[in-house]
Amino acid sequence: EVELVESGGGLVQPGGSLRLSCAGSGFTFSSYWMTWVRQAPGKGLEWVANINQDGSERYYVDSVKGRFTISRDNAKNSVYLQMNSLRVEDTAVYFCARGTSWGQGTLVTISS
Amino acid sequence: QPVLTQPPSASASLGASVTLTCTLSSGYSAYQVDWYQQRPGKGPRFVMRVGTGGVVGSKGDGIPDRFSVLGSGLNRYLTIKNIQEDDESDYYCGTEHGSGSNFVSWVFGGGTKLTVL
Repeated sequence: EVELVESGGGLVQPGGSLRLSCAGSGFTFSSYWMTWVRQAPGKGLEWVANINQDGSERYYVDSVKGRFTISRDNAKNSVYLQMNSLRVEDTAVYFCARGTSWGQGTLVTISS
Repeated sequence: QPVLTQPPSASASLGASVTLTCTLSSGYSAYQVDWYQQRPGKGPRFVMRVGTGGVVGSKGDGIPDRFSVLGSGLNRYLTIKNIQEDDESDYYCGTEHGSGSNFVSWVFGGGTKLTVL
């Protein structure tokens, strides 16, 4: 069974940084694209970033380009989202996904 | 890239049926769409994928036979029969957008909140 477990969320001041992690199990991690999607409080789903199997291709939504970096460590079956220069509007639950399988999310709150 | 449009709300009585609609923007009639169910405080749960020919692949784990899909033109439909209280959720449609084998991005509809009366 595919399992994705996110961690690393928390409360950060505007301008700060945070690194999210997602550990995958139950599948051959290195064979799949991985994705981060976020959901602001009371709002819909917003795709954030993708990374291909070996990390050579990465794509981002315009609003996070230059601030967020997606990466992966296939030896650790993990994907990461480094978030810098955080803004109040980045406040959301961040989900890790492999295709149609999603984790339960980790809450990121940006507030002073 | 495509835009997916969903009505913000829908309602149905216990035991009745309801059809939720996801509409693709013009020019994207060939796109398949994934339906997700999201209960409060939970991650989205895959329901099934739909194209113009109907369901694509298998349903998500534990999705009952009461759930079915249909695709026509720019519309992708999710029908729930014999609605149960447990079906009260937000339902999102989403699609991959890319170039060739490159998975560039996902696009989601705004979601439909289904209320069971």
